[in-house]
Amino acid sequence: AQSVTQLDSQVPVFEEAPVELRCNYSSSVSVYLFWYVQYPNQGLQLLLKYLSGSTLVKGINGFEAEFNKSQTSFHLRKPSVHISDTAEYFCAVSEKKTFGQGTILTVHP
Amino acid sequence: EAQVTQNPRYLITVTGKKLTVTCSQNMNHEYMSWYRQDPGLGLRQIYYSMNVEVTDKGDVPEGYKVSRKEKRNFPLILESPSPNQTSLYFCASIRASAERNTGELFFGEGSRLTVL
Repeated sequence: AQSVTQLDSQVPVFEEAPVELRCNYSSSVSVYLFWYVQYPNQGLQLLLKYLSGSTLVKGINGFEAEFNKSQTSFHLRKPSVHISDTAEYFCAVSEKKTFGQGTILTVHP
Repeated sequence: EAQVTQNPRYLITVTGKKLTVTCSQNMNHEYMSWYRQDPGLGLRQIYYSMNVEVTDKGDVPEGYKVSRKEKRNFPLILESPSPNQTSLYFCASIRASAERNTGELFFGEGSRLTVL
């Protein structure tokens, strides 16, 4: 079975600083990987996904993620965050869309 | 506007009183799914449906029922709610069941349920 681990439950950063949200997965088969974002009092929406091809994936709102097969990771990055990026972020892997525990990103002015 | 609509958005009920959370999508999606979200546990799948009259258990199906009589609707039924079912529930859909591993999940806004 596939599983996902998000290593940080909360990440506080200052506005305009870079951020990395970590995600590791376990799987014995080919994987498809996703990052979703949940803004306060809303449902989740897709940020980006990796299916195949280039290991660097660009998504909406300036986010990107890199698939690293040898380290079984799919970390999410943004070079400069805004207050509006404050949200909870979920990493997910293909089978049944198994989700990680979530990382709350809080951007401070 | 393409959307997944859940009702009610908020509900407080008592142990044992049957309730139904409705979910409707207007995108003609084949695949629909219910998740519950609990702090520190992320989202866990309760039930899913590949098409009309085709449903299957997810990871945490105990205490829940579903039905898929029409393509657009996928209600979640709690026959005898208990306090451990207090949670935030999300309905989601994917365009085609063949894309259930690769496709984008479209989520409703969530239903916050409290069972006293």
